[in-house]
Amino acid sequence: QKEVEQDPGPLSVPEGAIVSLNCTYSNSAFQYFMWYRQYSRKGPELLMYTYSSGNKEDGRFTAQVDKSSKYISLFIRDSQPSDSATYLCAFLLTGGGNKLTFGTGTQLKVEL
Amino acid sequence: DTGVSQDPRHKITKRGQNVTFRCDPISEHNRLYWYRQTLGQGPEFLTYFQNEAQLEKSRLLSDRFSAERPKGSFSTLEIQRTEQGDSAMYLCASSLTQGLGEQFFGPGTRLTVL
Repeated sequence: QKEVEQDPGPLSVPEGAIVSLNCTYSNSAFQYFMWYRQYSRKGPELLMYTYSSGNKEDGRFTAQVDKSSKYISLFIRDSQPSDSATYLCAFLLTGGGNKLTFGTGTQLKVEL
Repeated sequence: DTGVSQDPRHKITKRGQNVTFRCDPISEHNRLYWYRQTLGQGPEFLTYFQNEAQLEKSRLLSDRFSAERPKGSFSTLEIQRTEQGDSAMYLCASSLTQGLGEQFFGPGTRLTVL
């Protein structure tokens, strides 16, 4: 079993739609739960992170963590064409270098 | 632009040749990471430095790979005797050690081995 599972997509939605992106993980020791956005030919950039179970909102983006189910989600409201990118879930164990464990990424396209 | 730069952005080489990539991190960041990303996959950790000390290497980093950070500033990643399986995007990231230690990624070096 892979440590992180993420549906690679591609996912195509109309402008204004609500997008739901999800990951499951198996390592219960992960402490931080993150979402990165990666535009084509660019490096990933941190979008949001959470530390505990529950929801965290930032503008049109909401990150949700359910530690009991080992499941995290990212919701994008009122999606825009500029949201078209690959979204990577990532997990962090602090200590020992803080190396990130990424999902495969979900490719999202928001159509006009 | 995150402030992390990588050079070159693209490299095409023939199998068996050696290649070297450079990463310049954000100046006050004492941690520097190398990741590899193949098509359709997320980045995978290769190695990291704290200042000039290389503290961890992934088993993905075969003996053909070597990384240095001689003065705790820029870093180089060298691949000797390249193979077609080395074709990937090589990403560098830097961070502080305090708090979350958010990693800021460079644009990557895309390597194609013919």
